[in-house]
Amino acid sequence: AQTVTQSQPEMSVQEAETVTLSCTYDTSENNYYLFWYKQPPSRQMILVIRQEAYKQQNATENRFSVNFQKAAKSFSLKISDSQLGDTAMYFCAFISSQGGSEKLVFGKGTKLTVNP
Amino acid sequence: DTAVSQTPKYLVTQMGNDKSIKCEQNLGHDTMYWYKQDSKKFLKIMFSYNNKELIINETVPNRFSPKSPDKAHLNLHINSLELGDSAVYFCASSPEQVYGNTIYFGEGSWLTVV
Repeated sequence: AQTVTQSQPEMSVQEAETVTLSCTYDTSENNYYLFWYKQPPSRQMILVIRQEAYKQQNATENRFSVNFQKAAKSFSLKISDSQLGDTAMYFCAFISSQGGSEKLVFGKGTKLTVNP
Repeated sequence: DTAVSQTPKYLVTQMGNDKSIKCEQNLGHDTMYWYKQDSKKFLKIMFSYNNKELIINETVPNRFSPKSPDKAHLNLHINSLELGDSAVYFCASSPEQVYGNTIYFGEGSWLTVV
């Protein structure tokens, strides 16, 4: 079974600085997708960024970028120029088409606090 | 304009009651889901439906019964509510082939059982 591990339950960063959130996963599949979701205090789940496993190039979305290391099964999220609005829970998630039953598997989340 | 909408957003009820949470998506997606987020913020899939057909049932107690009257709606009915059912329930949807596509979440329904 696929698992997703986020080893940092909580992190904090000063406004305008850069922070990296860690995520590792376990799978025997070769093709899959990885996601980072943001959950602010409102509890809404917002997609931040996604990465296709067969693409070597790391995905970027404005201030958000990933460091995808397929061999190491690592998928970290870097937030540059942190803003107060980035304060949220961040969930790493994985999906494959194994067995034809596609479901998103989440890590336990990292609570990020951006301090003024 | 809300893509995936859930009602009610907040629900407080007593143990033993039966309650329903409704979900509707206007994205034209074929697949819908229910996820549960417990008090420790852990998110886990409960059910998925594709074109009104049950695809995934993650060993959820029989007290939970999803119903999909059409592919734009997936309601969650819970019988004989227990304290442990307190959680945030998220409805979500995706195109038929979720692999390679993005899953869109509703805003969540906070259920508190007292």
